[in-house]
Amino acid sequence: SQQGEEDPQALSIQEGENATMNCSYKTSINNLQWYRQNSGRGLVHLILIRSNEREKHSGRLRVTLDTSKKSSSLLITASRAADTASYFCATGIQGAQKLVFGQGTRLTINP
Amino acid sequence: ETGVTQSPTHLIKTRGQQVTLRCSSQSGHNTVSWYQQALGQGPQFIFQYYREEENGRGNFPPRFSGLQFPNYSSELNVNALELDDSALYLCASSLGDRASFETQYFGPGTRLLVL
Repeated sequence: SQQGEEDPQALSIQEGENATMNCSYKTSINNLQWYRQNSGRGLVHLILIRSNEREKHSGRLRVTLDTSKKSSSLLITASRAADTASYFCATGIQGAQKLVFGQGTRLTINP
Repeated sequence: ETGVTQSPTHLIKTRGQQVTLRCSSQSGHNTVSWYQQALGQGPQFIFQYYREEENGRGNFPPRFSGLQFPNYSSELNVNALELDDSALYLCASSLGDRASFETQYFGPGTRLLVL
């Protein structure tokens, strides 16, 4: 079963609006990472947030982590058509040698 | 560009055949992980190699096996192919010995179709 569950499964917004995606997980983690995937190609790393961090920024991206609720959110501000992609959260599980991915959020930015 | 390459980009096989997929990691990255991604799903962890030894495995049967070489190349071998093996196969490299701690650098993937 998937460790990470993204919500919503699909999101469609107008260019310039903000997009928020959420991720929930079940077990203790070392870190939580967000990746982007364009059209079934390879994944591109966006942000890694460690379990002792609460918020991180990178350009137009803002990630929050609430370990008490076992949840994270990814905010993309001032969206662009090029942000159209699938976004995945991945959790680094404590005591395990792997990342566990969720099923992703498909984001569509309409011009 | 992540510096991670995979070959071939696409492959068609028939049920029961064997397949070898290849990956070239970033220089200096000692860990390579392989993932299977079915259509519309997130990547599923197959296994991880660190300095040529397997040091982590997901819920995949033994007919999925791998090799890692000293020149930062690696292989994923799948025997006795089944229809459900049709998927995008991704490799990812990272610096240290535990993928769960670090950023993964993904290749573009190999799309395998089993008929």
